[in-house]
Amino acid sequence: QKEVEQNSGPLSVPEGAIASLNCTYSDRGSQSFFWYRQYSGKSPELIMSIYSNGDKEDGRFTAQLNKASQYVSLLIRDSQPSDSATYLCAVESTGRRALTFGSGTRLQVQP
Amino acid sequence: SAVISQKPSRDICQRGTSLTIQCQVDSQVTMMFWYRQQPGQSLTLIATANQGSEATYESGFVIDKFPISRPNLTFSTLTVSNMSPEDSSIYLCSVELSRNREGYGYTFGSGTRLTVV
Repeated sequence: QKEVEQNSGPLSVPEGAIASLNCTYSDRGSQSFFWYRQYSGKSPELIMSIYSNGDKEDGRFTAQLNKASQYVSLLIRDSQPSDSATYLCAVESTGRRALTFGSGTRLQVQP
Repeated sequence: SAVISQKPSRDICQRGTSLTIQCQVDSQVTMMFWYRQQPGQSLTLIATANQGSEATYESGFVIDKFPISRPNLTFSTLTVSNMSPEDSSIYLCSVELSRNREGYGYTFGSGTRLTVV
């Protein structure tokens, strides 16, 4: 079983819609969770971090965490074609300061 | 927040040779991380480098293949030794962003795209 799982996609949404990206993780003791955006040929860029159960909003982005279900999600409101990228879920494992990444979900926003 | 300069940005190397990748950070950091991203794949942690001690390698990665130096708190190198085509990947260094009330995260260098022929 992979430690961090994501649907590889592609997830295709029309411009202006809400894109919903999901991630599950296996280490129940994980405390910190991150969403990165990676454009083709570029390095990952941090979008959101979340540490507590519930929602965390930053502009058009909302991260949601449910530790009981070992589930973290990212919502992108009013999706734009410039949001088209691969979104990586990353988990900071218990007891160490390094990230375990999911395989990423490719998002396509159709104009 | 920390800014990382990584070089080279890309290289094409002959099999059997070695390549050293450098990462320079604009502030002092305790830990630096080296990741590999194989074509079409996600990131996999190679090792964690602390200044003044030997790097800690993840399962499947060994020091003889990926020696790491960490001579001070702003600099680290990763060497890919005795390269084969399977080493063709993007190699990225990463550091933790400064922690503040908003939280923290990890930032990445621009990456080194290595092709072994």
